[in-house]
Amino acid sequence: AQSVTQPDIHITVSEGASLELRCNYSYGATPYLFWYVQSPGQGLQLLLKYFSGDTLVQGIKGFEAEFKRSQSSFNLRKPSVHWSDAAEYFCAVGAGSGGYNKLIFGAGTRLAVHP
Amino acid sequence: GAGVSQTPSNKVTEKGKYVELRCDPISGHTALYWYRQSLGQGPEFLIYFQGTGAADDSGLPNDRFFAVRPEGSVSTLKIQRTERGDSAVYLCASSFGGSYNEQFFGPGTRLTVL
Repeated sequence: AQSVTQPDIHITVSEGASLELRCNYSYGATPYLFWYVQSPGQGLQLLLKYFSGDTLVQGIKGFEAEFKRSQSSFNLRKPSVHWSDAAEYFCAVGAGSGGYNKLIFGAGTRLAVHP
Repeated sequence: GAGVSQTPSNKVTEKGKYVELRCDPISGHTALYWYRQSLGQGPEFLIYFQGTGAADDSGLPNDRFFAVRPEGSVSTLKIQRTERGDSAVYLCASSFGGSYNEQFFGPGTRLTVL
């Protein structure tokens, strides 16, 4: 069965520091992978996605993620965190036939940013 | 244009009552999804509509949960005989078509069952 694991429940970083959020997936075929961000009172917003091709994908707000098939990982990174990045981050894998038609999410990582 | 909207934003009900949660997708989006997010968890897939029909309802937890989309636009998630364990945020998303298209999420309805 498909699943997504985000090992870190909470992460705290200082503003300006680099960030890496971990994500491991279990999926039998070529995965469709996503990172979403959820801020309080806001809907989930797509940061970036990987379908195929270049394993390093760029997203919005200065985020990037690297797909590593050998490690079944899709870690999210940002070189310099801003206070406004404090939010909850979800990794997801797309599942279903003929592409994907539902998302399977990890439990999320809550990011706190110290000034 | 407007995003996905969900009403009500909050719903408090008593155990055993019936509730309806409404989702208005982005205009022109043919695919619509319902997810449930319990406290401290990621969203969990419930059901997916392509047009008026439920293409995948494998995530509905039991027969107390039902969803409709009669005209291929607005959808209603219906929960009968609510239980305290149904308390969660119910998220709706829509996309232009199905596979490979980005799902745009609404702000959710927070359901509390007392």
